Amino acid sequence: SQKIEQNSEALNIQEGKTATLTCNYTNYSPAYLQWYRQDPGRGPVFLLLIRENEKEKRKERLKVTFDTTLKQSLFHITASQPADSATYLCAYRRGSGNTGKLIFGQGTTLQVKP
Amino acid sequence: DAGVTQSPTHLIKTRGQQVTLRCSPKSGHDTVSWYQQALGQGPQFIFQYYEEEERQRGNFPDRFSGHQFPNYSSELNVNALLLGDSALYLCASSLAGSAQTSTDTQYFGPGTRLTVL
Repeated sequence: SQKIEQNSEALNIQEGKTATLTCNYTNYSPAYLQWYRQDPGRGPVFLLLIRENEKEKRKERLKVTFDTTLKQSLFHITASQPADSATYLCAYRRGSGNTGKLIFGQGTTLQVKP
Repeated sequence: DAGVTQSPTHLIKTRGQQVTLRCSPKSGHDTVSWYQQALGQGPQFIFQYYEEEERQRGNFPDRFSGHQFPNYSSELNVNALLLGDSALYLCASSLAGSAQTSTDTQYFGPGTRLTVL
């Protein structure tokens, strides 16, 4: 079955360091991956989308890479801040265009300590 | 411009009861998807509605049903509630037909926290 997996263990880092989160997928080749941020008790908020023909995508302090050979996406937050503490979800769309369902990983919780 | 809204915020029910959750999509959006998120897990797709019809369905029993109204708002109904139905229920809206040009993002509401006792 198609799976998308994230490290379920929480990631604890010191403020100012770079946080790196991993997303691995199996038995499927998504055309693109999405990353979301979710705060406790809130809905996910879209951050970045990276397509299979893009190696890297950046937005301010965020960077996402997509390695179709390794079937892996990495999500980086540089110069991390305590406000970056949240759960980060990766997802791909199963189905065509904007009609398919989103398949989510279980999320990785990031804790940035001051 | 209002984002996705959901009601109620919290709900407590007992086993065997029925529940209805409501969602209003972001202005201009016509497609509504529902997700169930158990504690510590990622959201799981329940179903999607477009043009008042269920277009796709995830691996959920028939106890889960939905509806979309002409104004694009949607309801999620769950019958014969089980303890395992306790979760955060998320509604997400998007615009069909923008698949070719959009960033293909979904906008999520704040969710309804359902507790089944």
